[in-house]
Formats: sequence, structure tokens, C-alpha cells
Amino acid sequence: SYVLTQPPSVSVAPGQTARITCGGNNIGRKSVHWYQQKPGQAPVLVVYDDSDRPSWIPERFSGSNSGNTATLSISSVEAGDEADYSCQVWDGSSDPSVVFGAGTKLTVL
Amino acid sequence: QVQLVQSGAEVKKPGASVTVSCTASGYTFTDHYIHWVRQAPGQGLEWMGWINGDSGNTDYSRKFQGRVTMTRDTSISTQYMEVHSLRSDDTAVYYCARGSYSDPYYFDSWGQGTLVTVSS
Repeated sequence: SYVLTQPPSVSVAPGQTARITCGGNNIGRKSVHWYQQKPGQAPVLVVYDDSDRPSWIPERFSGSNSGNTATLSISSVEAGDEADYSCQVWDGSSDPSVVFGAGTKLTVL
Repeated sequence: QVQLVQSGAEVKKPGASVTVSCTASGYTFTDHYIHWVRQAPGQGLEWMGWINGDSGNTDYSRKFQGRVTMTRDTSISTQYMEVHSLRSDDTAVYYCARGSYSDPYYFDSWGQGTLVTVSS
């Protein structure tokens, strides 16, 4: 099965930029999607297809993907951004074909 | 707006079965896949499978094949997921999630989640 590796936690001060990585073998060849999940709530899509944002997500959220690493960046971090962030890909040649990373807890200091 | 509303929490004994429903509104039901994703307490998201809202075709993760059944009723825009032979490690929040129109393999809308507790 395809494996996605995320750091368990990332900490950042308010107003700074948070970067959350997602590692996978040749992940740059896949489309990566990112979800934000706050405690007790369902996940919310924040970035799709590596770097596109749904209309309801602020421009502070951006994504990139190259080589073996995809990155979710959140600029001008606010207290309300504190959440778990999970990356996800589809790999039709593996099982399961939809794979999530284990998630990264973003803490706003 | 798009809404996915799931059925309420369940408590089941080991070996029993559970059915979770997911009722869609605000979009054309047959235009999208519905995926089922679960999350055990304190753990990450785990994909279980999908059902095509139009054809009813399904695809399951091998881990759940033979123990999970996904169906739909287009007349009431509702999907169902049944898990058989429940074990304690099936205790989790189960989510339905809509596959996007352009790419069915990412999820642009989620249900609120259904907690299934398996305990003797």
C-alpha cells in the first residue's frame, strides 16, 4: 500500500507561516488534497489538486507538491487555525486506493 | 447548500451488525460518489470504500471486503453502509463524504459523523 508520512505536530506563533509536510514515494506525480479537522468536528477540505483552494477557504492556505514531498502552507496563522491537518491521495494501483496521512496537529503558540 | 446528514450514534455488541445512513441534499445525488471514512478514537482517517450514486457500483478497501456493504436508495437520496461481525476495534466515528464532481477521489463535503461503539 502507498504510505503518506506527516510530522505528528507543528507549532507556530500567531502571524507566522506554518508549513506542514506530507511525504510519499514520488508524491509529486499524484494529486494531493488536504483536510482540516477541529476537535469533535468533521474534516473540511482546505486544498485540492496540490494547490487549489475551495471558494470557502481563505487565501492564507496554499499548497505545493514536488518530488517526494507535498506541503501545506498557512500564512498569517491565527488561533482559529489550530487543528489537525491530514493529506490524502488516490493511488489506483494500490490497496487501499485512497490513502490518508496520519495527520499533523498544528498548535498556535 | 450541500448537506450530508448521518444517522445517530449506535452501541453494538461484538459480532453484531450496524447500518449507518447518509442522506444527501442540495445537489444531484446521482452525479457523485459517496465514500465512507472512519476514525478510531485518537487516530487518523481511514478510507473504507465508495459507492457510485448513479450506477450503485462499489469499491471497498481490501481490509473491509466481505465485512462491509454499501448501498443506496436514489428515491430518497440516501446511502447506507452496513458493517458485519463487529469487533471492539471497529469502535470509531464513521463519516460519509462526497467525492467531488471533477475528481471523485477527493472529498468536498462531509457528513457530521456517526459514533459506533462496540462493547460487550
